[in-house]
Amino acid sequence: SAVISQKPSRDICQRGTSLTIQCQVDSQVTMMFWYRQQPGQSLTLIATANQGSEATYESGFVIDKFPISRPNLTFSTLTVSNMSPEDSSIYLCSVEGGRAVNEQFFGPGTRLTVL
Amino acid sequence: QKEVEQNSGPLSVPEGAIASLNCTYSDRGSQSFFWYRQYSGKSPELIMSIYSNGDKEDGRFTAQLNKASQYVSLLIRDSQPSDSATYLCAVRKAAGNKLTFGGGTRVLVKP
Repeated sequence: SAVISQKPSRDICQRGTSLTIQCQVDSQVTMMFWYRQQPGQSLTLIATANQGSEATYESGFVIDKFPISRPNLTFSTLTVSNMSPEDSSIYLCSVEGGRAVNEQFFGPGTRLTVL
Repeated sequence: QKEVEQNSGPLSVPEGAIASLNCTYSDRGSQSFFWYRQYSGKSPELIMSIYSNGDKEDGRFTAQLNKASQYVSLLIRDSQPSDSATYLCAVRKAAGNKLTFGGGTRVLVKP
């Protein structure tokens, strides 16, 4: 499977600020996704990151709060904007395609704490 | 009704026994089914995928799918303490589509 890295691995942020999370894959992939996992909960899809076009957001998630970029087939960013303590979660990117045909693999995650 | 349902557990099994995990889903259009293992503080790791009715075996893991009953299960044979983790069931309609996750089943394997 592809090797996926995320930066930062964790961060502690102040209310009202923004954080950009990076996801880098070691090979070209077709699909990239961003998930959120709140404490003690399962995974919820935020959006599908589309290469060269606007991301596709799931119900309850909006571009102003979670802007996403995907400039090429190996890289994507998720920004968590105007953060509040409710945004404290683990944010995960996943990839599919390339070497990961028909299956999704997850990056190591970014643990975000908002004070 | 949740789209994907799992018993939250914990499922406690003695070392060497078989752990049996169940998952039901509501969308009959679902075509692909996955089991992920997630250790505390780590990201989900794909352990099994299954696309057709029946059983699929991989080492100590067996996935079972019954589309008519909208049911997928995971058996872990010869359970080891290292199998203690949360197991997430995920389903989707087609390749490249989003995964919908169940709430996960926590498994505890006791020596």
